[in-house]
Amino acid sequence: GQQVMQIPQYQHVQEGEDFTTYCNSSTTLSNIQWYKQRPGGHPVFLIQLVKSGEVKKQKRLTFQFGEAKKNSSLHITATQTTDVGTYFCAGLDSGYALNFGKGTSLLVTP
Amino acid sequence: NAGVTQTPKFRVLKTGQSMTLLCAQDMNHEYMYWYRQDPGMGLRLIHYSVGEGTTAKGEVPDGYNVSRLKKQNFLLGLESAAPSQTSVYFCASSYRGVAGEQFFGPGTRLTVL
Repeated sequence: GQQVMQIPQYQHVQEGEDFTTYCNSSTTLSNIQWYKQRPGGHPVFLIQLVKSGEVKKQKRLTFQFGEAKKNSSLHITATQTTDVGTYFCAGLDSGYALNFGKGTSLLVTP
Repeated sequence: NAGVTQTPKFRVLKTGQSMTLLCAQDMNHEYMYWYRQDPGMGLRLIHYSVGEGTTAKGEVPDGYNVSRLKKQNFLLGLESAAPSQTSVYFCASSYRGVAGEQFFGPGTRLTVL
């Protein structure tokens, strides 16, 4: 079955530093979604990528979908304390359900 | 709009007891999902529904049953709770199925002693 691996598991940065989390799939994906979960909260949708090589930006967040549609990344420029949380990627191959990665927990200290 | 709501928010059960978790959405979404989230495990799909009156198994369905008698409600049942079912349970709904954004409820934290 499809496996979605996400690294790193944890990341601790100083406020203002950049942050990147990577997502890799064992199979080709038809789309990939990214979610953010604040501590004690629920996952909230950030973005969906569908096209090979696609790059999308949301303010300080940059999302990329690999050319082979097997990997994706989320990059945050100049982190802020409001960026704290766990970031999940979720990939869809030809199946019926999203496969979530285990997430990357980001801690930002001022 | 309330979005996706879940009841209860917290529950403690003894091994062997039963309970039902209720999920309700007011967005007229066809698709609904139940996930469980365990530390370091991400979100795992338990059961899902593609419309009123339909349900299907996800990745980890054993020990759970579901029903979707009304479009806006998706119920998750535990017939005989086990400590391994201690988890945080999230319900989600979507308009376009797995190809679209999923809206999550606030979660139910369940402890089975």
